[in-house]
Amino acid sequence: DQQVKQNSPSLSVQEGRISILNCDYTNSMFDYFLWYKKYPAEGPTFLISISSIKDKNEDGRFTVFLNKSAKHLSLHIVPSQPGDSAVYFCAAKDSGAGSYQLTFGKGTKLSVIP
Amino acid sequence: GAVVSQHPSRVICKSGTSVKIECRSLDFQATTMFWYRQFPKQSLMLMATSNEGSKATYEQGVEKDKFLINHASLTLSTLTVTSAHPEDSSFYICSATVQGAGETQYFGPGTRLLVL
Repeated sequence: DQQVKQNSPSLSVQEGRISILNCDYTNSMFDYFLWYKKYPAEGPTFLISISSIKDKNEDGRFTVFLNKSAKHLSLHIVPSQPGDSAVYFCAAKDSGAGSYQLTFGKGTKLSVIP
Repeated sequence: GAVVSQHPSRVICKSGTSVKIECRSLDFQATTMFWYRQFPKQSLMLMATSNEGSKATYEQGVEKDKFLINHASLTLSTLTVTSAHPEDSSFYICSATVQGAGETQYFGPGTRLLVL
């Protein structure tokens, strides 16, 4: 049973346009969410996070939106650049569980076309 | 800051041998480190949670006698794949949490293991 779902395995976007990556979760206990970027044969790199007390967090070209009622979050990248091409993982955490464990989605491969 | 290294980055070994992978937090103390495994086009699967000075907590389905984890210090955790078999070939990634920084895990660059 996948608690974090990224239903789009891949996404292609033109350079300069907006990239929107989506993530859904089923566990209502999740209260902290993170996005990671991963290149092949490398470890994931932390991008941006959001706590459940917020509905938006912005960092430069990256913005994460959280809709708790829909159990949905999205990562917006604008403007998209060719260097953004990578696999993006959504991860969630239940802070009340008393551990740092993250549950990951399967990832979405973003291709930014020059 | 928050740099995590792994060594080796790539290892090829014969079936039946043991392989040790090191995970180090270079500029911070990590009370908790995690070991993940990633198959091609799959998500990161948590194998175990490693706390300094105590036994690792393994996820269901992960053989603790096969994947030995030692977290001897606040900056070093090791994963030893014992009696490796070809099905153990995978990409192993560690991560660490920064004390006081809450939820974010910082990942190492990963180790590609190929068992012949």
